[in-house]
Amino acid sequence: KQEVTQIPAALSVPEGENLVLNCSFTDSAIYNLQWFRQDPGKGLTSLLLIQSSQREQTSGRLNASLDKSSGRSTLYIAASQPGDSATYLCAVRSGSGYALNFGKGTSLLVTP
Amino acid sequence: GAVVSQHPSRVICKSGTSVKIECRSLDFQATTMFWYRQFPKKSLMLMATSNEGSKATYEQGVEKDKFLINHASLTLSTLTVTSAHPEDSSFYICSATLAGGIAQMRSGGFDTQYFGPGTRLTVL
Repeated sequence: KQEVTQIPAALSVPEGENLVLNCSFTDSAIYNLQWFRQDPGKGLTSLLLIQSSQREQTSGRLNASLDKSSGRSTLYIAASQPGDSATYLCAVRSGSGYALNFGKGTSLLVTP
Repeated sequence: GAVVSQHPSRVICKSGTSVKIECRSLDFQATTMFWYRQFPKKSLMLMATSNEGSKATYEQGVEKDKFLINHASLTLSTLTVTSAHPEDSSFYICSATLAGGIAQMRSGGFDTQYFGPGTRLTVL
């Protein structure tokens, strides 16, 4: 069974810092990996989707990498802003099905 | 584009009553919708997959008689929590994919699930 782990569980940084969020998964036979943002009490916003054949995806200040063989993905946030404060979720779609397996998330706080 | 809404956003009910949650794709047709449940500080757990015009596929451990799912049209799926108990209190989130269904998803046609804003259910 695919298990997704996110480290750290919580992170607090001052505004302007670059930061890295980590995601690992146990079964490397994935179809794709997605990073989401969730604000308190809200739904999910898709940030980046990386297909299994890709190594990275970029959108603005966000860059996500994927190393399928080692079962790892990182989300890099450049020049963090207070508006980036949210919970970031990593989700993996395994090759055997269409369900998304989610990590527990990293709660990010960017202080002014 | 690709907006998914849920109604209600928050509901409080008494133990033993039934609660219906709606999930709508507002600007696209969604052959397939998914229902997730999220406990505080926990992962989202897939409950079931809802296909328009057919019975939902439930994940292992999810009681199909308790969580009734109906997907009557290409833009609407409903989740009914029957005989709700306090342990059913949770955050329920739906997602939808663009029309194409499971077949296209398996071939890689549509990968992105668009999520609704969620429904907070509290059972007293």
